[in-house]
Order: sequence, then structure tokens, then C-alpha cells
Amino acid sequence: ETGVTQTPRHLVMGMTNKKSLKCEQHLGHNAMYWYKQSAKKPLELMFVYSLEERVENNSVPSRFSPECPNSSHLFLHLHTLQPEDSALYLCASSQAGPGELFFGEGSRLTVL
Amino acid sequence: AQSVTQLDSHVSVSEGTPVLLRCNYSSSYSPSLFWYVQHPNKGLQLLLKYTSAATLVKGINGFEAEFKKSETSFHLTKPSAHMSDAAEYFCVVSDFLNSNSGYALNFGKGTSLLVTP
Repeated sequence: ETGVTQTPRHLVMGMTNKKSLKCEQHLGHNAMYWYKQSAKKPLELMFVYSLEERVENNSVPSRFSPECPNSSHLFLHLHTLQPEDSALYLCASSQAGPGELFFGEGSRLTVL
Repeated sequence: AQSVTQLDSHVSVSEGTPVLLRCNYSSSYSPSLFWYVQHPNKGLQLLLKYTSAATLVKGINGFEAEFKKSETSFHLTKPSAHMSDAAEYFCVVSDFLNSNSGYALNFGKGTSLLVTP
């Protein structure tokens, strides 16, 4: 039990579908993150939320839309994705500052 | 931006022999450095972290890393490899984004550790 839970663990969707990834943290942290992990590439920071406010959008295409309704929940809404968006999407949380991140186990997304 | 370079994409060791995973960092200020491990189909787990205290950092599962400023290195070591150590290892540096965003972690490309019987 990592304290950060992601659902679903696996998702297959067509390019015209709309789906959402969910992340929930039970650690009392005040910052949450979405990272993308593709084969042969380093982990890429997508979004940062601090105190429920989006403070970083790392040049992510608009077909990815994050939502942070409260400090414990983070969503990634997916719309008209491309096959190259297939990847493992990792959610993480932390206390604000240069400390460690706590990761969920990821949502494996396949876009057909 | 702060960054790390993992010098080996794959390392293979025999069970019971030492492990050395190499990492160099680039930072304009005193960095916070981390090693994370990722087992197949799992999320990332923190092995150890350096935050400007002792230069030799001990982590979980017998791993340790030494911060060497003169060499800008933060190599991960373990005296004796176990089969269960086979995984992907990431060297990570904390990067200050801006006064609004605070910090985020920048990951190296990873080193895949194979442990053979």
C-alpha cells in the first residue's frame, strides 16, 4: 500500500473516446503530479497541482485535461488521443518543497 | 534546469556480487538527489535521498549512495545483489520550477538491472 491509488490500472480506448484517469492520495500531501512514462524515454512531468491550483503545465497537448477538485484527488481527462499517447501514466503526491514524491502504481493506457 | 545522466542503460550482475549503478548530475545549486526503483508493472518506490546532510546515504534493501560534489556524481551501490533486486532504477534530481510551481523531480532515463543466478 503506497498511499497513492490510481484507477483504472489498465485502459484501452479508441481515438474518439473520452475517458478519465483517477488518482487519490491518503498521505495528507498538498501537491499532486501527473507523469508520463513511455518506453525508451525518461519520465515526463505533465502537470503539477499545489494546494489544488494548477501551477505547471509542461507543454502538454490540450487533449489531456487535468482536474484537482481537492487536495486528495487528481484526475486526468482524456479526449481524442493518438496512438503515441499510449504509455504508463503515473500519479504522485508530496509535501510542497524539494522532497520525495510518493507514486501510485500507474494507469497503463493503450490507444488504438 | 537541473538534470541527471545515468551512464548505463543496462547492468548485469551475478547474484551475490556487488552492484554499481552510475549517475552524474548537473545542478547550479546544491541539489536534492534521489534514487527510485521500479519493479515490473509497479509504481516507483524511493530507495534513498540526499538533501545536503551526510554525503553517504543509506537506503532500503541494503542500497547506499555517495554524493561526490567534486565529481558531480551520485552512484548507487549494494555489496551483494539479490535476485529480487532485478528492476529499473532511476536517478532523480529535484528541480525548482518557479516561485509559483515550487519543485518537481527530473528523472534520468533509467538503468535496467539484471541479476543472474
